[in-house]
Amino acid sequence: GDSVTQMEGPVTLSEEACLTINCTYTATGYPSLFWYVQYPGEGLQLLLKATKADDKGSNKGFEATYRKETTSFHLEKGSVQVSDSAVYFCALSPVYGNNRLAFGKGNQVVVIP
Amino acid sequence: NAGVTQTPKFQVLKTGQSMTLQCAQDMNHEYMSWYRQDPGMGLRLIHYSVGAGITDQGEVPNGYNVSRSTTEDFPLRLLSAAPSQTSVYFCASSHQDLLGSPGELFFGEGSRLTVL
Repeated sequence: GDSVTQMEGPVTLSEEACLTINCTYTATGYPSLFWYVQYPGEGLQLLLKATKADDKGSNKGFEATYRKETTSFHLEKGSVQVSDSAVYFCALSPVYGNNRLAFGKGNQVVVIP
Repeated sequence: NAGVTQTPKFQVLKTGQSMTLQCAQDMNHEYMSWYRQDPGMGLRLIHYSVGAGITDQGEVPNGYNVSRSTTEDFPLRLLSAAPSQTSVYFCASSHQDLLGSPGELFFGEGSRLTVL
């Protein structure tokens, strides 16, 4: 079935460093792709999304490009802040999937001052 | 605007007890769903609904029941709680945008359940 794979392990980096979180997917057709963020003690919030190949989603300095040829949707930010510390989830919505999102396992990001 | 409201936020149960996690949304969304979040597992879909009177199973439905009698409410029932159901549960709702693409999922703040 449709699935999402995120890179293993937490990510710890210093303030103003560059962040990349890898996400690859397996799906039939052209799913929609999402990044959600979960701050401590809260529910998930949509960070950005892309609904077709070559689309770039962006929000709050984060970007991700829908790459059909590599089945990837990597999340990037050029200069992180302490406030970006959170758990980041990649997700996909299958074609005609009625919003049945499939989530990756998530990556804990810790930004130290 | 309350969004998605889940109750209770915390609950401790004994094995074999039953309970209901409540979820209500005030955005008139057609779609509602329940996920569980476990360490190292991400979020897994338990049940979902595409409208009042319509429900279907997700990835991990065993041990849970749902119903959707109104657009606003989507309760999750644990029939006979087991320690394996210790988890954080999230309710979410969404609409579909005018182009037919899936809309943003709006999540509640979660319900942390411990089964002893």
